[in-house]
Amino acid sequence: DSGVTQTPKHLITATGQRVTLRCSPRSGDLSVYWYQQSLDQGLQFLIQYYNGEERAKGNILERFSAQQFPDLHSELNLSSLELGDSALYFCASSVEGGETQYFGPGTRLLVL
Amino acid sequence: EDQVTQSPEALRLQEGESSSLNCSYTVSGLRGLFWYRQDPGKGPEFLFTLYSAGEEKEKERLKATLTKKESFLHITAPKPEDSATYLCAVRSNDYKLSFGAGTTVTVRA
Repeated sequence: DSGVTQTPKHLITATGQRVTLRCSPRSGDLSVYWYQQSLDQGLQFLIQYYNGEERAKGNILERFSAQQFPDLHSELNLSSLELGDSALYFCASSVEGGETQYFGPGTRLLVL
Repeated sequence: EDQVTQSPEALRLQEGESSSLNCSYTVSGLRGLFWYRQDPGKGPEFLFTLYSAGEEKEKERLKATLTKKESFLHITAPKPEDSATYLCAVRSNDYKLSFGAGTTVTVRA
Protein backbone atom coordinates (compact mmCIF):
# COMPACT_ATOMS: atom_id res chain seq x y z
CA ASP A 1 0.00 0.00 0.00
CA SER A 2 1.59 3.24 -1.20
CA GLY A 3 -0.55 5.50 1.00
CA VAL A 4 -2.12 7.22 -2.01
CA THR A 5 -5.87 6.70 -2.28
CA GLN A 6 -8.08 7.10 -5.32
CA THR A 7 -11.84 6.96 -5.72
CA PRO A 8 -13.80 5.54 -7.33
CA LYS A 9 -12.10 2.27 -8.30
CA HIS A 10 -14.30 1.80 -11.34
CA LEU A 11 -16.45 4.17 -13.34
CA ILE A 12 -18.73 3.35 -16.26
CA THR A 13 -20.33 6.22 -18.12
CA ALA A 14 -21.58 7.25 -21.54
CA THR A 15 -20.08 9.42 -24.26
CA GLY A 16 -20.62 13.12 -23.72
CA GLN A 17 -20.80 12.81 -19.95
CA ARG A 18 -18.61 14.40 -17.29
CA VAL A 19 -16.87 12.60 -14.41
CA THR A 20 -14.66 13.55 -11.48
CA LEU A 21 -11.84 11.40 -10.16
CA ARG A 22 -10.49 11.99 -6.69
CA CYS A 23 -7.04 11.48 -5.20
CA SER A 24 -5.66 11.84 -1.68
CA PRO A 25 -1.86 11.98 -1.51
CA ARG A 26 0.35 10.34 1.08
CA SER A 27 0.51 12.17 4.37
CA GLY A 28 3.07 14.99 4.08
CA ASP A 29 3.27 14.94 0.27
CA LEU A 30 2.69 18.31 -1.37
CA SER A 31 2.83 17.29 -5.02
CA VAL A 32 0.14 15.41 -6.89
CA TYR A 33 0.51 14.06 -10.41
CA TRP A 34 -2.11 12.62 -12.75
CA TYR A 35 -1.36 9.97 -15.39
CA GLN A 36 -3.41 8.17 -18.00
CA GLN A 37 -2.63 4.58 -18.96
CA SER A 38 -4.24 3.03 -22.01
CA LEU A 39 -3.31 -0.21 -23.76
CA ASP A 40 -1.83 1.47 -26.82
CA GLN A 41 -0.16 4.47 -25.17
CA GLY A 42 1.39 3.33 -21.92
CA LEU A 43 1.62 5.73 -18.97
CA GLN A 44 1.19 9.34 -20.06
CA PHE A 45 1.72 12.30 -17.75
CA LEU A 46 -1.23 14.68 -17.65
CA ILE A 47 -0.64 17.35 -15.02
CA GLN A 48 1.09 18.15 -11.73
CA TYR A 49 0.03 20.30 -8.79
CA TYR A 50 2.26 21.45 -5.99
CA ASN A 51 0.73 22.82 -2.81
CA GLY A 52 -2.38 23.97 -4.65
CA GLU A 53 -0.69 25.47 -7.69
CA GLU A 54 -0.34 23.98 -11.15
CA ARG A 55 3.35 23.23 -11.72
CA ALA A 56 3.65 21.20 -14.93
CA LYS A 57 1.41 20.18 -17.78
CA GLY A 58 1.76 17.20 -20.06
CA ASN A 59 -0.49 15.80 -22.76
CA ILE A 60 -3.71 16.87 -21.10
CA LEU A 61 -6.69 17.52 -23.33
CA GLU A 62 -8.63 20.78 -23.07
CA ARG A 63 -11.68 18.72 -22.05
CA PHE A 64 -9.77 17.65 -18.94
CA SER A 65 -8.98 19.83 -15.95
CA ALA A 66 -7.66 19.33 -12.46
CA GLN A 67 -7.26 21.15 -9.20
CA GLN A 68 -5.65 20.65 -5.82
CA PHE A 69 -7.51 21.78 -2.73
CA PRO A 70 -6.18 23.33 0.51
CA ASP A 71 -6.25 19.91 2.20
CA LEU A 72 -4.00 18.74 -0.68
CA HIS A 73 -6.42 16.27 -2.19
CA SER A 74 -6.84 16.59 -5.94
CA GLU A 75 -9.62 16.07 -8.44
CA LEU A 76 -9.36 15.34 -12.16
CA ASN A 77 -12.39 16.41 -14.15
CA LEU A 78 -13.06 14.77 -17.50
CA SER A 79 -15.81 16.24 -19.67
CA SER A 80 -17.43 15.57 -23.05
CA LEU A 81 -16.17 12.04 -22.70
CA GLU A 82 -15.27 10.02 -25.78
CA LEU A 83 -14.77 6.28 -26.25
CA GLY A 84 -11.03 6.87 -26.48
CA ASP A 85 -10.95 8.30 -22.95
CA SER A 86 -11.47 4.79 -21.57
CA ALA A 87 -8.31 4.06 -19.61
CA LEU A 88 -6.77 3.66 -16.18
CA TYR A 89 -6.17 6.99 -14.48
CA PHE A 90 -3.47 7.07 -11.83
CA CYS A 91 -2.61 9.64 -9.27
CA ALA A 92 0.85 9.82 -7.73
CA SER A 93 2.30 11.97 -4.99
CA SER A 94 5.73 13.05 -3.80
CA VAL A 95 7.12 15.13 -0.99
CA GLU A 96 8.10 17.94 -3.33
CA GLY A 97 8.20 18.16 -7.10
CA GLY A 98 10.51 15.65 -8.70
CA GLU A 99 11.46 13.14 -6.07
CA THR A 100 10.19 9.59 -6.08
CA GLN A 101 6.53 9.41 -6.96
CA TYR A 102 4.25 6.92 -5.24
CA PHE A 103 1.24 5.76 -7.20
CA GLY A 104 -2.31 5.09 -6.12
CA PRO A 105 -4.34 2.04 -7.16
CA GLY A 106 -5.98 3.88 -10.06
CA THR A 107 -9.49 4.52 -11.35
CA ARG A 108 -10.62 2.41 -14.28
CA LEU A 109 -12.85 4.49 -16.56
CA LEU A 110 -15.00 2.86 -19.20
CA VAL A 111 -16.85 5.12 -21.63
CA LEU A 112 -19.63 3.37 -23.55
CA GLU B 1 11.63 15.49 -25.87
CA ASP B 2 12.61 12.77 -23.39
CA GLN B 3 12.51 9.25 -24.81
CA VAL B 4 12.58 5.93 -23.01
CA THR B 5 12.83 2.59 -24.80
CA GLN B 6 12.56 -0.71 -22.98
CA SER B 7 13.56 -4.11 -24.29
CA PRO B 8 12.54 -6.80 -24.64
CA GLU B 9 8.77 -6.22 -24.70
CA ALA B 10 8.20 -9.59 -23.07
CA LEU B 11 10.40 -12.10 -21.28
CA ARG B 12 9.50 -15.64 -20.32
CA LEU B 13 11.79 -17.21 -17.75
CA GLN B 14 12.01 -20.50 -15.96
CA GLU B 15 12.16 -20.23 -12.19
CA GLY B 16 15.80 -19.66 -11.22
CA GLU B 17 16.82 -18.49 -14.71
CA SER B 18 18.49 -15.09 -14.28
CA SER B 19 18.11 -12.38 -16.91
CA SER B 20 18.32 -8.64 -17.54
CA LEU B 21 15.92 -5.97 -18.76
CA ASN B 22 17.18 -2.95 -20.67
CA CYS B 23 16.06 0.68 -20.53
CA SER B 24 17.73 3.10 -22.93
CA TYR B 25 16.98 6.79 -22.67
CA THR B 26 17.59 10.20 -24.15
CA VAL B 27 16.95 13.11 -21.84
CA SER B 28 18.10 16.68 -21.49
CA GLY B 29 19.67 16.67 -18.07
CA LEU B 30 18.86 13.48 -16.18
CA ARG B 31 17.44 14.24 -12.77
CA GLY B 32 16.66 10.60 -11.95
CA LEU B 33 15.90 7.22 -13.48
CA PHE B 34 13.18 5.20 -11.83
CA TRP B 35 12.17 1.56 -11.93
CA TYR B 36 8.64 0.50 -11.08
CA ARG B 37 6.88 -2.84 -10.98
CA GLN B 38 3.26 -3.02 -12.10
CA ASP B 39 0.87 -5.92 -11.63
CA PRO B 40 -2.19 -6.14 -13.92
CA GLY B 41 -4.83 -3.54 -13.03
CA LYS B 42 -2.74 -2.10 -10.18
CA GLY B 43 -0.74 1.07 -9.73
CA PRO B 44 3.02 1.08 -10.37
CA GLU B 45 5.01 0.10 -7.28
CA PHE B 46 8.27 1.98 -6.73
CA LEU B 47 11.45 -0.12 -6.82
CA PHE B 48 14.54 2.06 -7.34
CA THR B 49 15.83 5.53 -8.11
CA LEU B 50 19.23 6.01 -9.76
CA TYR B 51 20.81 9.42 -10.20
CA SER B 52 24.26 9.06 -11.73
CA ALA B 53 26.23 6.75 -14.00
CA GLY B 54 27.84 3.92 -12.10
CA GLU B 55 25.19 3.85 -9.41
CA GLU B 56 23.70 0.49 -8.41
CA LYS B 57 20.78 -0.40 -6.15
CA GLU B 58 19.65 -3.83 -4.93
CA LYS B 59 16.49 -5.21 -3.41
CA GLU B 60 16.02 -8.93 -2.89
CA ARG B 61 16.43 -10.58 -6.31
CA LEU B 62 16.51 -7.27 -8.23
CA LYS B 63 19.51 -5.11 -9.01
CA ALA B 64 19.40 -1.89 -11.02
CA THR B 65 22.40 -0.28 -12.68
CA LEU B 66 22.85 2.96 -14.59
CA THR B 67 25.15 4.18 -17.36
CA LYS B 68 25.03 7.45 -19.27
CA LYS B 69 22.67 6.06 -21.87
CA GLU B 70 20.90 3.08 -20.34
CA SER B 71 19.86 1.22 -17.25
CA PHE B 72 19.60 -2.48 -16.58
CA LEU B 73 17.36 -4.33 -14.20
CA HIS B 74 18.90 -7.68 -13.36
CA ILE B 75 16.65 -10.40 -11.98
CA THR B 76 18.62 -13.10 -10.20
CA ALA B 77 17.10 -16.56 -9.68
CA PRO B 78 13.55 -15.28 -10.28
CA LYS B 79 10.49 -16.79 -8.66
CA PRO B 80 6.92 -16.88 -10.04
CA GLU B 81 5.99 -13.95 -7.77
CA ASP B 82 8.46 -11.79 -9.75
CA SER B 83 6.07 -12.00 -12.71
CA ALA B 84 4.96 -8.45 -13.52
CA THR B 85 5.50 -5.60 -15.93
CA TYR B 86 8.62 -3.61 -15.11
CA LEU B 87 8.52 0.07 -16.05
CA CYS B 88 11.42 2.44 -16.47
CA ALA B 89 10.96 6.22 -16.27
CA VAL B 90 13.22 9.26 -16.46
CA ARG B 91 12.91 12.75 -15.08
CA SER B 92 14.66 15.68 -16.70
CA ASN B 93 14.61 19.32 -15.71
CA ASP B 94 10.83 19.52 -15.42
CA TYR B 95 8.82 17.57 -12.93
CA LYS B 96 7.15 14.91 -15.02
CA LEU B 97 8.14 11.31 -15.48
CA SER B 98 8.50 9.93 -19.00
CA PHE B 99 7.78 6.21 -18.99
CA GLY B 100 8.86 3.44 -21.28
CA ALA B 101 6.34 0.90 -22.55
CA GLY B 102 7.54 -1.72 -20.07
CA THR B 103 8.84 -5.27 -20.13
CA THR B 104 6.37 -7.97 -19.14
CA VAL B 105 8.15 -10.74 -17.27
CA THR B 106 6.59 -14.16 -16.81
CA VAL B 107 8.36 -16.63 -14.53
CA ARG B 108 7.25 -20.25 -14.78
CA ALA B 109 7.62 -22.66 -11.87
